[in-house]
Amino acid sequence: DIVLTQSPALAVSLGQRATISCKTNQNVDYYGNSYMHWYQQKPGQQPKLLIYLASNLASGIPARFSGRGSGTDFTLTIDPVEADDTATYYCQQSRNLPPTFGGGTKLELK
Amino acid sequence: EVQLVESGGGLVQPGRSMKLSCAASGFTFNNYDMAWVCQAPKKGLEWVATISYDGSSTYYRDSVKGRFTISRDNAKSTLYLQMDSLRSEDTATYYCARWAPKGGVMDAWGQGASVTVSS
Repeated sequence: DIVLTQSPALAVSLGQRATISCKTNQNVDYYGNSYMHWYQQKPGQQPKLLIYLASNLASGIPARFSGRGSGTDFTLTIDPVEADDTATYYCQQSRNLPPTFGGGTKLELK
Repeated sequence: EVQLVESGGGLVQPGRSMKLSCAASGFTFNNYDMAWVCQAPKKGLEWVATISYDGSSTYYRDSVKGRFTISRDNAKSTLYLQMDSLRSEDTATYYCARWAPKGGVMDAWGQGASVTVSS
């Protein structure tokens, strides 16, 4: 299985930039696409898709969110961070079965 | 508006069975593969199973193979997860999710159904 590694937590100030990383133990690129996706989950809620195929903004997601990366290294950036962004963020790969998730990064405000 | 509504969760004894349902609306259900994802208390997300748009193909994580069965009724726009021989480690919130054609991403999620396996 492909293993995805995220830092457990990140604290940023309102209005600053948050950069959340996700590293995989195998390349998740295939035929020009990076099969990496990002989700936001607030306490007591279901996950919500933010970014698909590494850098594509999902429908209805504000442009403060962006994703980049390829191969084995990916980042989700939130700039500027707003109070409503406090949540846990998960990366997920779909290059190989089984699809796997990172352990999640909890974003908190300083 | 895309909606996925799970039902059927609750408390069940180890070794017993439970069946979850997920009613879909707001999109053409039989055009999409569907999946179940679980989340144990205070833990991260784990994919459980996926079924193709027509039900002809199914995929499972190793820990549930032979115990869980994913199925669908396209006439009713409903996804199912039959869970047999339940174990305490199956305790989790189970989400149904729409599996988008664009690269295996889950682009819509239900609110989840809580399953507790305990005597």
